[in-house]
Amino acid sequence: DADVTQTPRNRITKTGKRIMLECSQTKGHDRMYWYRQDPGLGLRLIYYSFDVKDINKGEISDGYSVSRQAQAKFSLSLESAIPNQTALYFCATSDPTRADTQYFGPGTRLTVL
Amino acid sequence: EDQVTQSPEALRLQEGESSSLNCSYTVSGLRGLFWYRQDPGKGPEFLFTLYSAGEEKEKERLKATLTKKESFLHITAPKPEDSATYLCAVRPPNSGYSTLTFGKGTMLLVSP
Repeated sequence: DADVTQTPRNRITKTGKRIMLECSQTKGHDRMYWYRQDPGLGLRLIYYSFDVKDINKGEISDGYSVSRQAQAKFSLSLESAIPNQTALYFCATSDPTRADTQYFGPGTRLTVL
Repeated sequence: EDQVTQSPEALRLQEGESSSLNCSYTVSGLRGLFWYRQDPGKGPEFLFTLYSAGEEKEKERLKATLTKKESFLHITAPKPEDSATYLCAVRPPNSGYSTLTFGKGTMLLVSP
């Protein structure tokens, strides 16, 4: 089984809808991250969390919110989706005691119509 | 100003034709440079971390090297299964946090 899982894998929604993307990990890592990937722009950090009580904004947090429900779960919400939030979304985890290397999930392809 | 620039954007090779991908960075006091491989529709897969100029790491047909201004990913005698997008990322020194700044990637296509 995959160490980092994301659900759903694909989602099509309409403008104005609330959407939640979920990430779960079995790696036992404290640190978790949410990125989006757009063609020509690369991976950009949305939010990150270094433990259950720690939430930090990344480069492009506007229009997004997160929840760290447990060490293993980190959710990303789009409160009112808009078309320019159409992108690939990736969750990642890392362990600061092991070089803090980030390990990525398989991604969620989100389309906002 | 981009902190991480990868070149070329795309590269097409024949099977067995060795080449190099470049990642140049503008941050000083680097706390790590990372290489990832990404297949279409999948998440990035970790390859290497380099910390200091002169450091080299190898994995199968791939070898990553680091200087004070750039890193190279050398691909020796590539095979079609090496086709992927290769991402470079740096861990800047400023915040003390563990975030990464990614380049836009090099898309590699190896033809049989």
